[in-house]
Amino acid sequence: SYVLTQPPSVSVAPGQTARIACEETNIGNKPVHWYQQKPGQAPVLVVFDDTDRPSGIPERFSGSNSGNTATLTISRVEAGDEADYYCQVWVSAGSDHQVVFAGGTKLTVL
Amino acid sequence: EVQLLESGGGSVQPGGSLRLSCTASGFTFSSYAMSWVRQAPGKGLEWVSSISSSSTYIYYADSVKGRFSISRDNAKNSLYLQMNSLRAEDTAMYYCARGLMAGSFASWGQGTLVTVSS
Repeated sequence: SYVLTQPPSVSVAPGQTARIACEETNIGNKPVHWYQQKPGQAPVLVVFDDTDRPSGIPERFSGSNSGNTATLTISRVEAGDEADYYCQVWVSAGSDHQVVFAGGTKLTVL
Repeated sequence: EVQLLESGGGSVQPGGSLRLSCTASGFTFSSYAMSWVRQAPGKGLEWVSSISSSSTYIYYADSVKGRFSISRDNAKNSLYLQMNSLRAEDTAMYYCARGLMAGSFASWGQGTLVTVSS
């Protein structure tokens, strides 16, 4: 089965850069999507198709995907960025298709 | 503005059934694939099921296959999830999400809570 692995937690000081990894063998061959979820709220898409941002998402959020690791990068981190972040892909096995989410990373702004 | 409003959640005993609904507005519902994603208390996101815009393609997570059924009514801008043979591990917030088949989930509802307990 396809398992995406993220670190459980990442901590960063305000103004610094946070990087959250999402790992699986050859994940670079699949489009990866990233979601931000704040407590008590629904998830919000922040990066799709590896590197694209939906309208309204700050340029501070960016993504990359190569080899066995996809990465969400948050530049100039702000207190309001503190949230859980999830990566997601679609996987196909013959005629079946499944969506896989990683377990999530809690970003703490120190 | 895209709006997704879930309803139908509640408390049910193990083995029972529930039908969730999601009413959409602010976009052409019939043009988009729709999905259900759930989140158990204190846990991460878990995909449940997806349905293509015309209901041609339907996919389920292994954990719900044979027990849950997704459907949609494009005339009513509505998405449904029929949940049978419910188990304690189905307890979760259930979110309706809009997206492209094999793509990302661009819009989410606020969720409806399902509790399975005796």
